[in-house]
Amino acid sequence: AQSVSQHNHHVILSEAASLELGCNYSYGGTVNLFWYVQYPGQHLQLLLKYFSGDPLVKGIKGFEAEFIKSKFSFNLRKPSVQWSDTAEYFCAVTLTGFQKLVFGTGTRLLVSP
Amino acid sequence: NAGVTQTPKFRILKIGQSMTLQCAQDMNHNYMYWYRQDPGMGLKLIYYSVGAGITDKGEVPNGYNVSRSTTEDFPLRLELAAPSQTSVYFCASSDAGETQYFGPGTRLLVL
Repeated sequence: AQSVSQHNHHVILSEAASLELGCNYSYGGTVNLFWYVQYPGQHLQLLLKYFSGDPLVKGIKGFEAEFIKSKFSFNLRKPSVQWSDTAEYFCAVTLTGFQKLVFGTGTRLLVSP
Repeated sequence: NAGVTQTPKFRILKIGQSMTLQCAQDMNHNYMYWYRQDPGMGLKLIYYSVGAGITDKGEVPNGYNVSRSTTEDFPLRLELAAPSQTSVYFCASSDAGETQYFGPGTRLLVL
């Protein structure tokens, strides 16, 4: 079955630390990849997405992600986190041409000031 | 643009009661979706629609119904509420093959 795995359920970092959140998927075809963020008490917002082209994509608020096809991965990175990055982060995948997103279980990030 | 709006924000139901969660979008998107979010489980697709008059089941459709009479609206119906339906419900919309935009959510508690 198609699935998305986020292996880090909870991450705690100090401000200015670097961040990398893992995302792996199991799909056989061409995929579209997304990272969404959910700040406390808010709805999901798009951080960045990959459809095609340069596998290193840059999103809002200094986030970036790299699509590595051979590893079925789409890890999220940020070189220096801020307290305001405290949120839950979701990786999501859909097969190109299909509409149904499959979400990972999410990673809760807590950044201490 | 208001984007995707949902009402109510919060609701408490008794077991066996029914209710409709409202969702509307003003972006003229053909595709609309309903998800439920449970702690540690991510988001699961309940139903989706590819256009007015067309709906289809997602991953967890049991206990829910939907309709899509207009492009703008996509209500989710719970006929006989059960404690297992306690969750946060998100509606989303998109153009074909594009990013999904989410509403603010409805928090439902079934007691």
